[in-house]
Amino acid sequence: AQTVTQSQPEMSVQEAETVTLSCTYDTSESDYYLFWYKQPPSRQMILVIRQEAYKQQNATENRFSVNFQKAAKSFSLKISDSQLGDAAMYFCAYRSRDNYGQNFVFGPGTRLSVLP
Amino acid sequence: DSGVTQTPKHLITATGQRVTLRCSPRSGDLSVYWYQQSLDQGLQFLIQYYNGEERAKGNILERFSAQQFPDLHSELNLSSLELGDSALYFCASSVTPGVESYEQYFGPGTRLTVT
Repeated sequence: AQTVTQSQPEMSVQEAETVTLSCTYDTSESDYYLFWYKQPPSRQMILVIRQEAYKQQNATENRFSVNFQKAAKSFSLKISDSQLGDAAMYFCAYRSRDNYGQNFVFGPGTRLSVLP
Repeated sequence: DSGVTQTPKHLITATGQRVTLRCSPRSGDLSVYWYQQSLDQGLQFLIQYYNGEERAKGNILERFSAQQFPDLHSELNLSSLELGDSALYFCASSVTPGVESYEQYFGPGTRLTVT
């Protein structure tokens, strides 16, 4: 079974600075999808960014980008120019490339604080 | 707005009681997932349905059960409630045939308080 590990339970960053959240996963599959979700204090789960394993190019969404290292099974999230609104719990997630979406695994989360 | 709806938003009930949480997935999505999230905790996967059939089961208690109906909405039934069942319960949906989209879309959650 696949597992997702986030080794940093908590992190903090100064406003306008850059922070990187780590995520590693374990799988024997060659094709899959990876995601970062954000959960702000409102507790709504919001998709931040997605990466298809077959794509070598790292995904980018505005101030959010990933560093996808397939061989190392690493999928880190970089937040540039951090803003107060980025303060949230961030979850890394893995999904197999199957037809039913039955293998969707979330990591334990990293709580990010943004300091003014 | 993710397109996933959950009712009710809040639920307060007493120990020993039974409640039903309802979820309507995004239009076209065939998969529904249920998660439990206690305060300051991660997401605990409970169960997944795809087009009416159970596809995956997580750490779901025997007191809990779920089903997905022909119109694809899903219900999570929690019985013999205990104080420890107080949590935010999320529903998420995914998998629209023919659409290349693989993420889960989450509803706003149902906040259950057991007193």
